Amino acid sequence: GDSVTQMEGPVTLSEEAFLTINCTYTATGYPSLFWYVQYPGEGLQLLLKATKADDKGSNKGFEATYRKETTSFHLEKGSVQVSDSAVYFCALIRQGGSEKLVFGKGTKLTVNP
Amino acid sequence: DARVTQTPRHKVTEMGQEVTMRCQPILGHNTVFWYRQTMMQGLELLAYFRNRAPLDDSGMPKDRFSAEMPDATLATLKIQPSEPRDSAVYFCASGLEGARGNYGYTFGSGTRLTVV
Repeated sequence: GDSVTQMEGPVTLSEEAFLTINCTYTATGYPSLFWYVQYPGEGLQLLLKATKADDKGSNKGFEATYRKETTSFHLEKGSVQVSDSAVYFCALIRQGGSEKLVFGKGTKLTVNP
Repeated sequence: DARVTQTPRHKVTEMGQEVTMRCQPILGHNTVFWYRQTMMQGLELLAYFRNRAPLDDSGMPKDRFSAEMPDATLATLKIQPSEPRDSAVYFCASGLEGARGNYGYTFGSGTRLTVV
């Protein structure tokens, strides 16, 4: 079945450091890919998305590129802030399928001042 | 901004009691999901609906859980009887069919359930 694998956390960085959170997927066909962010005590918020190979999603300084050849969608940010501390989830929806969101297990990021 | 509204935000109940969680999807959205989040299992899909019809509830323990959409503005998730292992945060999310997930889905703030 469809699945998403994220790098295990937690990840702890200093402010202004470079962030990469790895995400790979397994799916039939060509899924749409997403990153969601969950701040403490809140629900999940859509951070960015990409719907086809080589698409780059971006938002709030975060970026991720849909790499079909490596089945990856790694999240990056050039300079993290304390306010970026949250749990980040990679997810997919299989196009033409049942349109269920399949999530990775999440990666907790802590940014220290 | 349009929001998915979940009630209650927190619920503490005794084992064996019935629990009902409610979700008001975004107006015009026709797809509703219920997820459960725990530290051990992460996010698990329990059930989802399209145009109020259940499409998949294979992730839900059938003997004690039930999910319904009595109308387009209300989705409910019921647990009867509740057990301590049901303690988790339950999220509702809604979206619009035809977008093929291009816009993702909007999540509510969740119901934190504690069964003692």
